[in-house]
Amino acid sequence: AQSVSQHNHHVILSEAASLELGCNYSYGGTVNLFWYVQYPGQHLQLLLKYFSGDPLVKGIKGFEAEFIKSKFSFNLRKPSVQWSDTAEYFCASSMNTGFQKLVFGTGTRLLVSP
Amino acid sequence: EAGVAQSPRYKIIEKRQSVAFWCNPISGHATLYWYQQILGQGPKLLIQFQNNGVVDDSQLPKDRFSAERLKGVDSTLKIQPAKLEDSAVYLCASSLDQLAGGQIRGEQFFGPGTRLTVL
Repeated sequence: AQSVSQHNHHVILSEAASLELGCNYSYGGTVNLFWYVQYPGQHLQLLLKYFSGDPLVKGIKGFEAEFIKSKFSFNLRKPSVQWSDTAEYFCASSMNTGFQKLVFGTGTRLLVSP
Repeated sequence: EAGVAQSPRYKIIEKRQSVAFWCNPISGHATLYWYQQILGQGPKLLIQFQNNGVVDDSQLPKDRFSAERLKGVDSTLKIQPAKLEDSAVYLCASSLDQLAGGQIRGEQFFGPGTRLTVL
C-alpha cells in the first residue's frame, strides 16, 4: 500500500531563508508525485507534479522539487522564502497506473516571519 | 473559469444525526473525488467517481457514509448517523481526465471544503 511521510510538521523561517521540506513515499512500483499548498483561508492548490522525465521539477512561485528514486524522496525547495509563502504544504503520491488515487502526507505548516 | 463549489461551508450537528454535503465540479470534469481531512492529517480519499460511476470507494465507511453522482455532474455525500470521529473537513475535487503514458492523468482542483463538527 502507498504511504507518504512528511517529517517536518512545523517549520518557522525568516524571510529570505532557504526552504527544504522533506517528503518520502513508500511504494514499490512507479509513482507520480505532487506538492500541494493551502494558503490561509484558501483552497488546496497544486504547486508542482512529477510523472516522469527530468527528476528536477519546477513549479509555481519559485518552488522546485527533486525526485530521488534511490531515496524514495521528493523534497520541496525554495531558495528564498517570502512572508506570502506562509501556508500548509502537502506532499502526495499516486500509482502510475489507472486512475489517479492521491495519498497525502500529514502536511507541514510553514510560518515565514517578516 | 468557475472553481469547484461546495455547500454548506460549515455544519454543526449532534451525534446520531444525519448530514449531507453538496459538490458542483468544474464544468466538463468527468472525475469527482470526495476527501476527508481530519485535523492534523492530510486529506484521505473516500470515494472517486468517473462520470456517474464509482471508480474507488474502498475507504468509504459504507455502514454510515453514502455518495452519489446522478447525471455525472453534481454529487452529494451523506453521513447517517454521524459519530464524533466524523468531525473533519470534507473536500470535493474534480479533474479533467487526460490519457497519457497509459494512465489517466489530470490535475485535481479542490473546493473550499465543508467543515463538519459533530457534538
